[in-house]
Amino acid sequence: DAEITQSPRHKITETGRQVTLACHQTWNHNNMFWYRQDLGHGLRLIHYSYGVQDTNKGEVSDGYSVSRSNTEDLPLTLESAASSQTSVYFCASSDLQGATSEAFFGQGTRLTVV
Amino acid sequence: SQQGEEDPQALSIQEGENATMNCSYKTSINNLQWYRQNSGRGLVHLILIRSNEREKHSGRLRVTLDTSKKSSSLLITASRAADTASYFCATDIEAAGNKLTFGGGTRVLVKP
Repeated sequence: DAEITQSPRHKITETGRQVTLACHQTWNHNNMFWYRQDLGHGLRLIHYSYGVQDTNKGEVSDGYSVSRSNTEDLPLTLESAASSQTSVYFCASSDLQGATSEAFFGQGTRLTVV
Repeated sequence: SQQGEEDPQALSIQEGENATMNCSYKTSINNLQWYRQNSGRGLVHLILIRSNEREKHSGRLRVTLDTSKKSSSLLITASRAADTASYFCATDIEAAGNKLTFGGGTRVLVKP
C-alpha cells in the first residue's frame, strides 16, 4: 500500500545545530507540504512543493528550508535550531491531478530543541 | 493568521449523543475539508465539501457549508468512544494552489 513516512519520530537536538527531518511518500503525489503543530495554533504551513525542483514558502518559513530533487522526498532542514522550533512536525502529500485535494499525512516528528 | 477557526475548542459528550462543531473562515474557498487527529497521530481526512455544495454525508458524518457566512459545521451522529479525537477544518483556496490552511481544532471527548 502507498504511504507517507517521516523519520525520525522523535529527535532531541541542541540550539544552533542543523537538523534535517525526512519525509518520503510512495503515492507518487506532486504536492508535498510541511506543517508544524503547536498548542493553540493548530497546524501552520512551513514550506510546500508542487513538483520536482519547485519549493515555496509558507506562513512560518523563517529558519527552515526544503529541497525537492525527486517526487518521493521533501526533507525539511532547520538551519540553526532554536528553542522556538520545538514542535511536532507533519509532512503531507496530495495529488493535484486527482479528483480531490485530500491530503495524506505522516505520523509526525516530535522535535525538541534544548 | 489562520484561515479557519473552530468552535468550540473542546467538547465533552456521552456515547450515543451527537457532536457538532463549527468552522469559520475568512476568504473565498475552493473547498473545505475536515480531518481527525487521534492523540499522537497524524491527521486523517474525513470529508471534503466543494464551494458549490451545501451539504454532504459520509456514514455518521454530516457536513454543511454556508459560503455566504463563510462557515461550515461537522456533525457526528450517535458518537462512540472511538470518536474521541481532535477535529480540524482546512480550507483550500484555489488561487493559492492545492495547499490547505488549518484551524486550531476542536477536541472532542466521548465518554462511555
